[in-house]
Amino acid sequence: NAGVMQNPRHLVRRRGQEARLRCSPMKGHSHVYWYRQLPEEGLKFMVYLQKENIIDESGMPKERFSAEFPKEGPSILRIQQVVRGDSAAYFCASSDRDLLYGYTFGSGTRLTVV
Amino acid sequence: AQSVTQLDSQVPVFEEAPVELRCNYSSSVSVYLFWYVQYPNQGLQLLLKYLSGSTLVKGINGFEAEFNKSQTSFHLRKPSVHISDTAEYFCAVSGGSNYKLTFGKGTLLTVNP
Repeated sequence: NAGVMQNPRHLVRRRGQEARLRCSPMKGHSHVYWYRQLPEEGLKFMVYLQKENIIDESGMPKERFSAEFPKEGPSILRIQQVVRGDSAAYFCASSDRDLLYGYTFGSGTRLTVV
Repeated sequence: AQSVTQLDSQVPVFEEAPVELRCNYSSSVSVYLFWYVQYPNQGLQLLLKYLSGSTLVKGINGFEAEFNKSQTSFHLRKPSVHISDTAEYFCAVSGGSNYKLTFGKGTLLTVNP
């Protein structure tokens, strides 16, 4: 049973470009979460999704950031018109409804904006 | 709202010494508690979790934690650490109908020879 798969592992974008981060949850997991980790900081919650629904986006910046978890395919975190301050590690996690195995994290996507 | 406080940002210890990493939480609902470990440039690995039942929870790599509801704490302990335990450790809480996982700022454990 593969874990949470994130790709790409590393992503370099120029200022103003779009970044698309992908996350495939563990098999059987219907809940997906996105977190951002900045240097010297902890992990900040961004958004919680279930299939085709955004449940909690209280941690998402109001502009340029969006997330989706379609019926088919991976969850996508999209950052439009990236700025240097978006450079960070972005982690995806998944869980089942009962938290039987807690929250399983992917290896992250490290976004660098140049 | 939930929050987590990890009282020590850095904990240096010598190899084979015991260690305790402290974690306090606040929540208005029943909580689920977690400890994760992060090695440099890697993702987070679950060490242990408390969902219900026994307040003493045993995890991987010889770690254990005790849930203390009256003190709202969930401290992580290991009786004898190894060099390979050097990493960042995160305490986290979720609870009620909100599955959102809230993290503390992390504790960097450095094990010296």
